[in-house]
Amino acid sequence: EADIYQTPRYLVIGTGKKITLECSQTMGHDKMYWYQQDPGMELHLIHYSYGVNSTEKGDLSSESTVSRIRTEHFPLTLESARPSHTSQYLCASSEYGRGADTQYFGPGTRLTVL
Amino acid sequence: GQNIDQPTEMTATEGAIVQINCTYQTSGFNGLFWYQQHAGEAPTFLSYNVLDGLEEKGRFSSFLSRSKGYSYLLLKELQMKDSASYLCAVRDQTGANNLFFGTGTRLTVIP
Repeated sequence: EADIYQTPRYLVIGTGKKITLECSQTMGHDKMYWYQQDPGMELHLIHYSYGVNSTEKGDLSSESTVSRIRTEHFPLTLESARPSHTSQYLCASSEYGRGADTQYFGPGTRLTVL
Repeated sequence: GQNIDQPTEMTATEGAIVQINCTYQTSGFNGLFWYQQHAGEAPTFLSYNVLDGLEEKGRFSSFLSRSKGYSYLLLKELQMKDSASYLCAVRDQTGANNLFFGTGTRLTVIP
C-alpha cells in the first residue's frame, strides 16, 4: 500500500487568498492525481500527471493549477480562493502501466473559503 | 463518456450478507475497482476486477461481467465498522486510463 501524505488536513481561509495544498508520496509512483469531492457526491478528477514535468487537466474544470517538479511531490495551487472552492481535495498516486495500476489516496484536505 | 450507476443507500444487519450492485457503460473498459470510504475520510482500495468472474478477499468478494456491464461487491459477516460508502470506479482506456467514479452506495449496518 502506498504512503501518501497531504497537508494541511483542514484549512479555513478568506476570499482572495492564495493557497497551496501539498501532496507527497514515498512509493516512487509515476502517476499522481487530484480529485475534488463535495459531501455525498462522487469524486471528480481535476488534474493528473504521468511523471516529472507532466500535468494534464481532468474531466472536471478547475481554476486550480498543479506542478510536478519532483516525482514524489504534486502540489495544487489556487491563486485566489473563492467560496465556490470550498470542498474536499484528495490526492492519489499509482504505478502507472504496471499491474492493476491501483490508485491509493491520501487523507485529503478539507478546504473552507469564507 | 462514462455512466456508472449504484444504489444510493442500503441498510443491513450485523452478521448478515449484503450485495452492492454497480452497472456501467463505458467505451474503453479497462478494469473495475471498489473502494470503501468512511465519512470524512479518504477512499481505501478493496478490490479490482478486469476479467469476468469472482475475486475473493476475506469477507469481501467482487464479481464482474463485462458483457453485461455489471459488477457487485459482496460483504459477508457484516460488522458495525463496515458502515461506510462503497464506491464503484471504472478505468477507461479512452480516458487516459483514469478512473471514473460512481456516486457511491452508503451502507448502514444496524445491530
